[in-house]
Amino acid sequence: NAGVTQTPKFQVLKTGQSMTLQCAQDMNHEYMSWYRQDPGMGLRLIHYSVGAGITDQGEVPNGYNVSRSTTEDFPLRLLSAAPSQTSVYFCASSYSGRTGGGGELFFGEGSRLTVL
Amino acid sequence: SQQGEEDPQALSIQEGENATMNCSYKTSINNLQWYRQNSGRGLVHLILIRSNEREKHSGRLRVTLDTSKKSSSLLITASRAADTASYFCATPLGKLIFGQGTELSVKP
Repeated sequence: NAGVTQTPKFQVLKTGQSMTLQCAQDMNHEYMSWYRQDPGMGLRLIHYSVGAGITDQGEVPNGYNVSRSTTEDFPLRLLSAAPSQTSVYFCASSYSGRTGGGGELFFGEGSRLTVL
Repeated sequence: SQQGEEDPQALSIQEGENATMNCSYKTSINNLQWYRQNSGRGLVHLILIRSNEREKHSGRLRVTLDTSKKSSSLLITASRAADTASYFCATPLGKLIFGQGTELSVKP
């Protein structure tokens, strides 16, 4: 199993550009989520999904869109990038979906985004 | 606002010493989890303690949970330089919410 795979690992954008961070897992996990990590702020939840076709907002959803058309994939879209979105983004998945996301999370290696 | 808060924010010890990190949270939970993050890497799950458990061990890790005080502690015994990392607690509120982490430095 590859686990949770994120692409790209590094990306530089200009303000106003859009892009999609890809996340795929091969563990048949119901639950998938996106976090951003900033210095001194820990990890903050952006969006999450408890199963295919179901998504919901986390703590900091503004400026991001998600969709969950398959169990395996959970892409994160930046609609119009801003310097405040410069961060490290982590995708994570777990078995616990409709039970409330309380299971052990498996993380990808992160995507480092810089918005100029 | 974040559910959990770790204390201290940073901890520096010598190899062989024990390291204790604390986590406080705000609302009722059914479990609490601890994760580790090596620099530049994703987080790795260490241990989960359920709300009806007071203490749990895994190798050199010992976790306690006091639901009356809404707090948990992670003890790493006989620390090694390889334990140098950031440690986070996380609580499930329909989804996992993380604290800001404790940065542990273990000097050889």
